[in-house]
Amino acid sequence: EAGVAQSPRYKIIEKRQSVAFWCNPISGHATLYWYQQILGQGPKLLIQFQNNGVVDDSQLPKDRFSAERLKGVDSTLKIQPAKLEDSAVYLCASSITGGRSTDTQYFGPGTRLTVL
Amino acid sequence: DQQVKQNSPSLSVQEGRISILNCDYTNSMFDYFLWYKKYPAEGPTFLISISSIKDKNEDGRFTVFLNKSAKHLSLHIVPSQPGDSAVYFCAASSTRGSNYKLTFGKGTLLTVNP
Repeated sequence: EAGVAQSPRYKIIEKRQSVAFWCNPISGHATLYWYQQILGQGPKLLIQFQNNGVVDDSQLPKDRFSAERLKGVDSTLKIQPAKLEDSAVYLCASSITGGRSTDTQYFGPGTRLTVL
Repeated sequence: DQQVKQNSPSLSVQEGRISILNCDYTNSMFDYFLWYKKYPAEGPTFLISISSIKDKNEDGRFTVFLNKSAKHLSLHIVPSQPGDSAVYFCAASSTRGSNYKLTFGKGTLLTVNP
């Protein structure tokens, strides 16, 4: 079974530029999560989708971050414009339903973003 | 305000000995707890979990203990192996919400020396 795929793995940009990350969850998984992990911290949930609907985006900085999951499968996360404090690893995870708290979340390898 | 705290940034143990990683939480709504393991340049992988209706869950060399009154859980690895060297994250969620969001601690770097 293929795992969660993310691209690119690394990205370096200047502040005020835009960047987009892509995630393809495990086949058949209804729920998709985007997390931000700043160096020395644990992952922090940015947004959660169930199929193509948003379940929780309370911690997403909506003035600069956006995310979509148009067909309920893969997803993109965009930052526009980027700030220095956005430097982090962006992790995508998926779970089979999201309808039970005991559903295991499976993580992708992450995209390491450096903003200069 | 950190709701899940891992106060030890790092831990070093000898191969074959016990590793004990600790985690404290403050939110009384949390009733489901997980440990994730993370190797460099990889995403976290699920290790073991425990519901608040239990005080112990065991899976091979890994055992998680939960003390609800103290809002404390610990992960025991016996015996420790060099391949266990990784960052371990404690995470918590509430089954009474609608989105089952995971809240993570900052992680503990475990180094198992041969």
